[in-house]
Amino acid sequence: GAGVSQSPSNKVTEKGKDVELRCDPISGHTALYWYRQRLGQGLEFLIYFQGNSAPDKSGLPSDRFSAERTGESVSTLTIQRTQQEDSAVYLCASSSSTSGGPYNEQFFGPGTRLTVL
Amino acid sequence: GESVGLHLPTLSVQEGDNSIINCAYSNSASDYFIWYKQESGKGPQFIIDIRSNMDKRQGQRVTVLLNKTVKHLSLQIAATQPGDSAVYFCAENGSGNTGKLIFGQGTTLQVKP
Repeated sequence: GAGVSQSPSNKVTEKGKDVELRCDPISGHTALYWYRQRLGQGLEFLIYFQGNSAPDKSGLPSDRFSAERTGESVSTLTIQRTQQEDSAVYLCASSSSTSGGPYNEQFFGPGTRLTVL
Repeated sequence: GESVGLHLPTLSVQEGDNSIINCAYSNSASDYFIWYKQESGKGPQFIIDIRSNMDKRQGQRVTVLLNKTVKHLSLQIAATQPGDSAVYFCAENGSGNTGKLIFGQGTTLQVKP
């Protein structure tokens, strides 16, 4: 497809389980971002990739959260030992910026709705 | 800390009227601002952006105004249509240079037919 895709669209898990969320950015986009959106709130930045490197991980809320990117394409966000407060929509965005510059439009995927029981 | 906030959580307008959505930002180092529209179950969609060297930018039926003196951003939608019903977020780039965006809480726009 032409846009950013994410999978799964919905994920229900039990507290304490690990989950993996996947993002497929727009082909050729070098910059990739993960955000979290709690119910009724704005988006919170989690991590930024330029190529396969993550120069900004400042938004990851704890060491239970990690992300990687391979082939300058697909990215996976992993949450270990999930907690109920991790319940949110996790959104991925990509942009064509080659320098991580702040002026390039970010295209968002539809998100993964994570529910931790 | 850094924050971007919106003045009103919900705005209800009549179809055909103009809508104005406001936003306050706190980081004076921000030099890039964006408005996003988010429909239920979807990711945010870019509407319009503005850099700090401008105070007004127009798009199709939308205008963004930036007042750096009072750190205020607004989105004006002309002739609001039912399809404009959504949550609108303002975002700023903060003091970093990575493209990381700082989002406000969002304003729900309800268009009455």
